Amino acid sequence: DIVMTQSPDSLAVSLGERATINCKSSQSVLYSSNNKNYLAWYQQKPGQPPKLLIYWASTRESGVPDRFSGSGSGTDFTLTISSLQAADVAAYYCQQYYTGPFTFGQGTKLEIK
Amino acid sequence: EVQLLESGGGLVQPGGSLRLSCAASGFTFSSYAMSWVRQAPGKGLEWVSVISGGGDSTYYAASVKGQFTISRDNSKNTLYLQMNSLRAEDTAVYYCARLSGASYYSAYGYWGQGTLVTVSS
Repeated sequence: DIVMTQSPDSLAVSLGERATINCKSSQSVLYSSNNKNYLAWYQQKPGQPPKLLIYWASTRESGVPDRFSGSGSGTDFTLTISSLQAADVAAYYCQQYYTGPFTFGQGTKLEIK
Repeated sequence: EVQLLESGGGLVQPGGSLRLSCAASGFTFSSYAMSWVRQAPGKGLEWVSVISGGGDSTYYAASVKGQFTISRDNSKNTLYLQMNSLRAEDTAVYYCARLSGASYYSAYGYWGQGTLVTVSS
């Protein structure tokens, strides 16, 4: 199984500052035949289901603010929020959909400093 | 508008069974793979199972393989999760999710609100 490890487990950032969350997979999720990374990022606010933010590691889902961006390839990925807003307080999860089981990271809780 | 509505959760004794349902609307159901993801109270997301759009292919997490069965009725636009021999560690909110394509290898673009399963005596 591919193990997804996020860092940090929790993060406190001031409003307007940059927030960075990392995700590392135990094996590459880059499919060489199409050069795509099978990696997604989700946001989950308390009491709500997860919401897809980013897929193919760096493609923003429709309607997601452009302050959210994804980067990385192979085994190392990053979710960046360029200027933190109060509405961004949530837990964030990465997920690989390269091969089953389609595992999630343990989550990163983002708070306001 | 894509809508996913789970039902069937509740309180069940250890060793019991439950069948969850997820009624889908707003899209061509048979064109998309569907999945179940669970979240224990205060914990992270745990992937459970996935089924292809045609229903002919399934995959399970090791933690539920042989215990849970995923299925779908494309004529009723409904996804199911049959859960047997339930244990306390199966207590969680169970979400159904729609993938972005017919196969397993895509992100989870739409999620239901979830249904709570509590396994306790």
